[in-house]
Amino acid sequence: SFELTQPPSVSVSPGQTASITCSGDKLGNKYVSWFQQKPGQSPVLVIFQDSKRPSGIPERFSGSNSGNTATLTISGTQAMDEADYYCQAWDSSTAVVFGGGTKLTVL
Amino acid sequence: EVQLLESGGGLVQPGGSLRLSCAASGFNFSSYVMSWVRQAPGKGLEWVSGFSGSGGRTYYADSAEGRFTISRDNSKNTLYLRMNSLRAEDTAVYYCAKGYYDNIDTPFDYWGQGTLVTVSS
Repeated sequence: SFELTQPPSVSVSPGQTASITCSGDKLGNKYVSWFQQKPGQSPVLVIFQDSKRPSGIPERFSGSNSGNTATLTISGTQAMDEADYYCQAWDSSTAVVFGGGTKLTVL
Repeated sequence: EVQLLESGGGLVQPGGSLRLSCAASGFNFSSYVMSWVRQAPGKGLEWVSGFSGSGGRTYYADSAEGRFTISRDNSKNTLYLRMNSLRAEDTAVYYCAKGYYDNIDTPFDYWGQGTLVTVSS
């Protein structure tokens, strides 16, 4: 079955760039979405179709996808960006798949 | 404004059944894929099931196949999830999620607030 792998945690200093990776077999051939989830809240879509931002999502959020790895990049990270981040893709054998999630800490 | 309001969660004994509902508003409900996604306490997101808008096709995760049934009533703008033979590992917050377009490979652009299902004796 298709699986997506994320690092459990990433730390970044305020104002710096945070990169969160998501790995899967031939992931570059699939569209990847990214979700932000803060404690006690529902997930929010921040990136879809690898690199597109929904309306209302700040420009500091960007995405890329190539080979076996997709990356969510947060430029000029702010304290409010501290959250769990999940990647998601669709596979013909497994249908909708989420990564295990990455806890982003802004210290 | 898009709104998704889940209901029907609660405490149920192992082997029991429950039906969740998701009342949608603010968009043309019949034109989009709708899905259920769950999150066990302290764990990550797990897709459970999806239903296409116009094509009437249903999709299930292996963990839900044969025990859960997704349905929708486009006249009532409501999505359902019937859950049978519930197990302790089904304990989770269940979210209703709207697809960005009407295809199962869609991203989910709106989520409800979730409803908690607890399976315990």
